[in-house]
Amino acid sequence: QQQVKQSPQSLIVQKGGISIINCAYENTAFDYFPWYQQFPGKGPALLIAIRPDVSEKKEGRFTISFNKSAKQFSLHIMDSQPGDSATYFCAASKTGGADGLTFGKGTHLIIQP
Amino acid sequence: EAQVTQNPRYLITVTGKKLTVTCSQNMNHEYMSWYRQDPGLGLRQIYYSMNVEVTDKGDVPEGYKVSRKEKRNFPLILESPSPNQTSLYFCASSSPRASGRYTDTQYFGPGTRLTVL
Repeated sequence: QQQVKQSPQSLIVQKGGISIINCAYENTAFDYFPWYQQFPGKGPALLIAIRPDVSEKKEGRFTISFNKSAKQFSLHIMDSQPGDSATYFCAASKTGGADGLTFGKGTHLIIQP
Repeated sequence: EAQVTQNPRYLITVTGKKLTVTCSQNMNHEYMSWYRQDPGLGLRQIYYSMNVEVTDKGDVPEGYKVSRKEKRNFPLILESPSPNQTSLYFCASSSPRASGRYTDTQYFGPGTRLTVL
């Protein structure tokens, strides 16, 4: 049973547009929701993260929106740039992160110039 | 430089030939994990360790073994590799949440691409 569902699988956005990736989770014990960015040939790297006591977190052009009642969270990339082209993973963890992260299946984002 | 290192980065082997992928971190992290990444499936956790001599199964542990004899090292062992273990493997490490610090940032290694023929 997949605990974190991510959509879409792939996304093409024009330069300057807004990229939106959505995730839904099932386990209410999750209490930390990060997004990871992965470039080809590299390991995933933390992009931005949120905890469930806030509904939104913004860092530069990247924003996480969190809806606790719907058990959903999303990543918004404003003013998308070709350098943002990468694979994005949402994830969730519980118990202080000791048992690692549960990942979504990933979204391959392409920003067209 | 704080980092997680993995060796080898690339490996082609044959079915049944035992192999070990090493992982080492220099950040004094308590927690370490192994993930495999497959197209369309994302990253799935194989094993994790909360500290020295403490390991537990993740979501896809079949066919793998781990050990944690030292805090910095967390090797992944494939006793008898099979073609369905062909994948991209990542090691990751993190620290427990400190008081007032709410983060479970996992630091990932560069990956090991394994092909089992």
